[in-house]
Amino acid sequence: DAGVIQSPRHEVTEMGQEVTLRCKPISGHNSLFWYRQTMMRGLELLIYFNNNVPIDDSGMPEDRFSAKMPNASFSTLKIQPSEPRDSAVYFCASRLHLAGELFFGEGSRLTVL
Amino acid sequence: DQQVKQNSPSLSVQEGRISILNCDYTNSMFDYFLWYKKYPAEGPTFLISISSIKDKNEDGRFTVFLNKSAKHLSLHIVPSQPGDSAVYFCAASQNSGNTPLVFGKGTRLSVIA
Repeated sequence: DAGVIQSPRHEVTEMGQEVTLRCKPISGHNSLFWYRQTMMRGLELLIYFNNNVPIDDSGMPEDRFSAKMPNASFSTLKIQPSEPRDSAVYFCASRLHLAGELFFGEGSRLTVL
Repeated sequence: DQQVKQNSPSLSVQEGRISILNCDYTNSMFDYFLWYKKYPAEGPTFLISISSIKDKNEDGRFTVFLNKSAKHLSLHIVPSQPGDSAVYFCAASQNSGNTPLVFGKGTRLSVIA
């Protein structure tokens, strides 16, 4: 069974550039979550969707961040323009319902120079 | 404010001994607690959970203890093995898990052979 698939695994970009991270959740899962991991803050929730609808985006740090889920099998997290402080590992996770075990992708490591 | 706190960034334990990882939380509405394990370059994976109606849950070498009055939980690993070396994240949720998980910053466990 394919797990949560994220791309790219690594992204190095320059300040000011647009970054798009992609996620394919596990088939049949109704809830999708974007987390960011940093040394200072650990794993912090950015936004989550239930049945493709954004439920809570209060964790999105700034207007430079946006996320979409156009269908049940695809989500994007976009940063525009990117800044060095956005450097982190971004994880996508999905689960069958709002409750239940959360399955993570392998993460996208972003470095903004 | 960190609602879930793991105050020890790292822990070293000798193989065969007990590893004890601690976690504190501030939100009294949390009623479902989990531990996730993360290896380098991989996403976190679910390890063990406990509901607030219990004070202990055991799964093989892993036991989670919950002290609701102290808002404290701990993960015991016994005996510790080198393969247990990883970052361990404590997480909490409300409404029996029907809200997104809130994670701590993680504790890096090193099991020395």
